[in-house]
Amino acid sequence: ELKVEQNPLFLSMQEGKNYTIYCNYSTTSDRLYWYRQDPGKSLESLFVLLSNGAVKQEGRLMASLDTKARLSTLHITAAVHDLSATYFCAVDQGGNEKLTFGTGTRLTIIP
Amino acid sequence: DSGVTQTPKHLITATGQRVTLRCSPRSGDLSVYWYQQSLDQGLQFLIQYYNGEERAKGNILERFSAQQFPDLHSELNLSSLELGDSALYFCASSVDWGSSYNEQFFGPGTRLTVL
Repeated sequence: ELKVEQNPLFLSMQEGKNYTIYCNYSTTSDRLYWYRQDPGKSLESLFVLLSNGAVKQEGRLMASLDTKARLSTLHITAAVHDLSATYFCAVDQGGNEKLTFGTGTRLTIIP
Repeated sequence: DSGVTQTPKHLITATGQRVTLRCSPRSGDLSVYWYQQSLDQGLQFLIQYYNGEERAKGNILERFSAQQFPDLHSELNLSSLELGDSALYFCASSVDWGSSYNEQFFGPGTRLTVL
């Protein structure tokens, strides 16, 4: 059974600092997704990573995928308050379309 | 706005009752997925339909059922409701099934409260 773990679960950061959220998964997959969720809201798609070594960047967020290590990272550069949200990674096992989500990382940016 | 619509936004009901949640996928999307989000279980996949046919099943209880209609909208039926069924239910849609790219777009969710 596929397991997806994220750490940390909670993260408080000061504005302007850099940090990384980690997503580990237990079985082979080369498709990984990052989503953002604001409190009480829906999930917003951030990144789709489809191959080993994939790196994608949007603004202050950068995501990467290492399929050999079964690890994805979401790096936050020079955090700003607007990035406060819960971030989820999700994995599908290629051909099995259901997404298995990580536990989520609740990110709070402190001024 | 993802283009996926869900109704109702909120639903409050009593134990033992039955409710129906509705989802309309993005225009052109053939796959619909249902997920449940609760504090203790996190985000869990329930069931997927592609062009009217069931394609994958997750941890969906026997009291729950779903279907996708010819116009591609989907309904999730929850019966004999229990307090533990209180959760946020999301519908998501994607263009295809079994392709190399399966970005799922999520609707706003239906918050179900069982009293």
